[in-house]
Amino acid sequence: QQQVKQSPQSLIVQKGGISIINCAYENTAFDYFPWYQQFPGKGPALLIAIRPDVSEKKEGRFTISFNKSAKQFSLHIMDSQPGDSATYFCAARRNTGFQKLVFGTGTRLLVSP
Amino acid sequence: NAGVTQTPKFRVLKTGQSMTLLCAQDMNHEYMYWYRQDPGMGLRLIHYSVGEGTTAKGEVPDGYNVSRLKKQNFLLGLESAAPSQTSVYFCASSYSTFHRMNTEAFFGQGTRLTVV
Repeated sequence: QQQVKQSPQSLIVQKGGISIINCAYENTAFDYFPWYQQFPGKGPALLIAIRPDVSEKKEGRFTISFNKSAKQFSLHIMDSQPGDSATYFCAARRNTGFQKLVFGTGTRLLVSP
Repeated sequence: NAGVTQTPKFRVLKTGQSMTLLCAQDMNHEYMYWYRQDPGMGLRLIHYSVGEGTTAKGEVPDGYNVSRLKKQNFLLGLESAAPSQTSVYFCASSYSTFHRMNTEAFFGQGTRLTVV
């Protein structure tokens, strides 16, 4: 059962454009929402993360927007660059038990030159 | 400082064969994890370890076993491989549980396993 739904599955953006990836969750017992970036042949790496008591977090060109009432959060990449071409995963952490992360299905982003 | 190293990087197995995937980290991390990554499924936790000599089941543990005899190594075993275990396997490690805020997890480069 997929508890974190991610869209789109793939995305093509022109250099300098804005890339937007959306995630929605069902379980209200999530309390931490990280995004991971994965380049081909590499393992995922933490990109940026947010807690639900904050509506927005920005780090450089990367911004997470969080809508707690709608149970949705999104990643915005401003001024997208070819070097941003990668697969992006959203995740949500359960706040019970081992507090494991539930990952979205991933979005393959291609930024064209 | 190599970080997290997985061995092997690629492997093809026949149904019913066994194999062990090795994960080694040189960062003195307590926590280690094995994930599998399948198209359209994201990352799913197979097993994890919170310290030397301890292991626990994750979301999809069936068909796998693990051991953490040394702090720096975390082994994932397939006793009788099945085609459903065709996947990319990632090992990760962290100082404490990386599922908490601001705790970085470091992933290996992955092992692509095909079971025919």
